[in-house]
Amino acid sequence: EDQVTQSPEALRLQEGESSSLNCSYTVSGLRGLFWYRQDPGKGPEFLFTLYSAGEEKEKERLKATLTKKESFLHITAPKPEDSATYLCAVGYSWGKLQFGAGTQVVVTP
Amino acid sequence: SAVISQKPSRDICQRGTSLTIQCQVDSQVTMMFWYRQQPGQSLTLIATANQGSEATYESGFVIDKFPISRPNLTFSTLTVSNMSPEDSSIYLCSAPPDGNTEAFFGQGTRLTVV
Repeated sequence: EDQVTQSPEALRLQEGESSSLNCSYTVSGLRGLFWYRQDPGKGPEFLFTLYSAGEEKEKERLKATLTKKESFLHITAPKPEDSATYLCAVGYSWGKLQFGAGTQVVVTP
Repeated sequence: SAVISQKPSRDICQRGTSLTIQCQVDSQVTMMFWYRQQPGQSLTLIATANQGSEATYESGFVIDKFPISRPNLTFSTLTVSNMSPEDSSIYLCSAPPDGNTEAFFGQGTRLTVV
């Protein structure tokens, strides 16, 4: 059975304190590993899609990496506006995504 | 990136009634997807809406409870039928652009059933 597990469930950071979020997955026929940011009361905001092991993508203070079993979302020198829930999802069929439970990140000044 | 608009953004409904949620995309897409996000939970796929054919439902979701329409390549509706408090969730539509697996989401419809 396909599974997506995110850790930690919650992360509290001081502004400027870099950290990483983990997404481990088991899926047959990976069609992309997706990262989203979700603010309270809003829909997920697309961040990255990674397709093959060794691939990396960056956007501002965020960097996503992918191995055969897991993906990491690195947050470098976070700011309070980076506070959100970060979701990862695996594509298992065209357009279909299976989501992890998310990591809630709080960045304090 | 595609712009996806959902209506209504939120609603409070009486149990036993039905609500239809609309999803409009600013470009043509082959498939649209409907997800549910229950309170404190992550997203779960409900069904795939294909233009010109019946929707296909994931395990645990049935057409009688969540009928879906897809009249053209930019629009879809999801109806939540005979609602109970357990249906209180955020409902989201997704529309991956053709030939591209970036999956964008609407802002969601927050449904509360009382």
